[in-house]
Amino acid sequence: NAGVTQTPKFQVLKTGQSMTLQCAQDMNHEYMSWYRQDPGMGLRLIHYSVGAGITDQGEVPNGYNVSRSTTEDFPLRLLSAAPSQTSVYFCASSYASGPGNTIYFGEGSWLTVV
Amino acid sequence: QQPVQSPQAVILREGEDAVINCSSSKALYSVHWYRQKHGEAPVFLMILLKGGEQKGHDKISASFNEKKQQSSLYLTASQLSYSGTYFCGTTGLGSNFGNEKLTFGTGTRLTIIP
Repeated sequence: NAGVTQTPKFQVLKTGQSMTLQCAQDMNHEYMSWYRQDPGMGLRLIHYSVGAGITDQGEVPNGYNVSRSTTEDFPLRLLSAAPSQTSVYFCASSYASGPGNTIYFGEGSWLTVV
Repeated sequence: QQPVQSPQAVILREGEDAVINCSSSKALYSVHWYRQKHGEAPVFLMILLKGGEQKGHDKISASFNEKKQQSSLYLTASQLSYSGTYFCGTTGLGSNFGNEKLTFGTGTRLTIIP
């Protein structure tokens, strides 16, 4: 069972560079999302998608872009990396967006921007 | 608004019991509980929905008091494997209903020592 798969696991970027964090799930989940986790801040929602072709902003969307062309994939793009984007990023999915649906997290991507 | 967790950290000896609280200033529809070990993804424990229910499996259970807008997670006869950071996530009523509105607390770090 692959579940939610994220790549890369670790990445160092220079300020101003762009990159894409990949996320794929094999559970046929409609709802996918990206969170960032910073010390003392908990998990904060960046962007989410309730189905292919549908995306929306979460709590902290600035500096990030997403698209959802297939049910399985939900990549997160950093347009011009800044040191403030140094964080751990988690992709997550659930069967649907209703509140009784369990959210499954990927293993995380550690990003450092220097 | 972010739920408030208490305590922020607790150290227990193996076999002791722990209670972790999660309080919100808004009316709640659901409370999610997750455990995260250092360097790993959050792992789902349970979801409680509006209706004042209680859930549990093995020695971990939780209650949801919608009138007080709070939930408590109970860990009995703690084991070394219970160590980690526990997060609650909450969704509200009305437009704050779905998983895309899930807001996480800052976590409670639980350390179990032999």
